[in-house]
Amino acid sequence: DSGVTQTPKHLITATGQRVTLRCSPRSGDLSVYWYQQSLDQGLQFLIQYYNGEERAKGNILERFSAQQFPDLHSELNLSSLELGDSALYFCASSVQSVHYNEQFFGPGTRLTVL
Amino acid sequence: ELKVEQNPLFLSMQEGKNYTIYCNYSTTSDRLYWYRQDPGKSLESLFVLLSNGAVKQEGRLMASLDTKARLSTLHITAAVHDLSATYFCAVDNQAGTALIFGKGTTLSVSS
Repeated sequence: DSGVTQTPKHLITATGQRVTLRCSPRSGDLSVYWYQQSLDQGLQFLIQYYNGEERAKGNILERFSAQQFPDLHSELNLSSLELGDSALYFCASSVQSVHYNEQFFGPGTRLTVL
Repeated sequence: ELKVEQNPLFLSMQEGKNYTIYCNYSTTSDRLYWYRQDPGKSLESLFVLLSNGAVKQEGRLMASLDTKARLSTLHITAAVHDLSATYFCAVDNQAGTALIFGKGTTLSVSS
């Protein structure tokens, strides 16, 4: 158990809908990262937050957005869902030291868009 | 564009045999990470390599880093079935704000 929690574990929804994925980082970690894992794209970095502020963006679609709250939990919002958004979404957290960036991953949310 | 390439992508091994997974990357980063993922599960951190020549070992797995060659290896000694999983290497992006992962090596160990 990495100490990172994610809810829900599974989500099944229809095209055009909107969903919210939730993540709580390890105690003491200020950085939260979101990744998408799919068979064709592999593990893709979406976005990072550090202590409530957006720090970096990766291959995140405009239909997707995220935020980190004062208690450091984070939410990833996916809207106007398409079939191709079906994937495993991971949240990770880290201390974000200048010396290394070991990230600890949550169990993931499996999103299925029908 | 930063690239991380692993090979092989699929590896079928017999129990008791040795093998090496290779990870090449295009950045000048001196930090490299290895993760393990079981099917449908999360990623588990295995090794963090922080400098040129770093070597770390845990059980039957040993990881090393050559920053000059931009190469890391994950060596498997006397494979057992429990090692069957997908192994990913990753490096920091240029800004140090995310990890860039290879495509993963799926290892299957059979008797």
